[in-house]
Amino acid sequence: GIQVEQSPPDLILQEGANSTLRCNFSDSVNNLQWFHQNPWGQLINLFYIPSGTKQNGRLSATTVATERYSLLYISSSQTTDSGVYFCAVGGYNFNKFYFGSGTKLNVKP
Amino acid sequence: DTEVTQTPKHLVMGMTNKKSLKCEQHMGHRAMYWYKQKAKKPPELMFVYSYEKLSINESVPSRFSPECPNSSLLNLHLHALQPEDSALYLCASSQEQLTDTQYFGPGTRLTVL
Repeated sequence: GIQVEQSPPDLILQEGANSTLRCNFSDSVNNLQWFHQNPWGQLINLFYIPSGTKQNGRLSATTVATERYSLLYISSSQTTDSGVYFCAVGGYNFNKFYFGSGTKLNVKP
Repeated sequence: DTEVTQTPKHLVMGMTNKKSLKCEQHMGHRAMYWYKQKAKKPPELMFVYSYEKLSINESVPSRFSPECPNSSLLNLHLHALQPEDSALYLCASSQEQLTDTQYFGPGTRLTVL
């Protein structure tokens, strides 16, 4: 299967700081999503981004498919950004979907 | 509307009980998913339904039995569970199977005594 590695595993930020989360994957993918899981367990889709760059407010993401990595940028972080950020990928066989182990973000006021 | 609903929010059951988890979406999506998430771990795919037919079963024990009565509903029937089955069970849906954005429900927290 496709290996998905996320870094860093834990991140502590002061409110207002910027951060970059990384997702490396071991094979070609046709599906890549970034999710935020809040403390209550709700998984919220942030980006569907198998390639290219997207932006949504303070968040943006870039996937370089040829080099097998994706980056999630969080600017001007807020306490509500706290939680776990997951990267998940699917291959061209359309029968698997793999989550990375996540980055746990704690934004302090 | 990008909402996926799940009931119940919490469920406590004994090892001899039979219970069901329910999931509903009204986005016209043709793929629906069940995931299991243990504490401090990422979600793991269990089942995928595509066009109301079981498409993927990730070698899940038979004490978990999925059902897709129609294109909007997905059930997970539970029977003779073990304490290690205690977890957050998440439902998701997408337009087509594993090719675009998945939208997740809030989950059911299951405790097996």
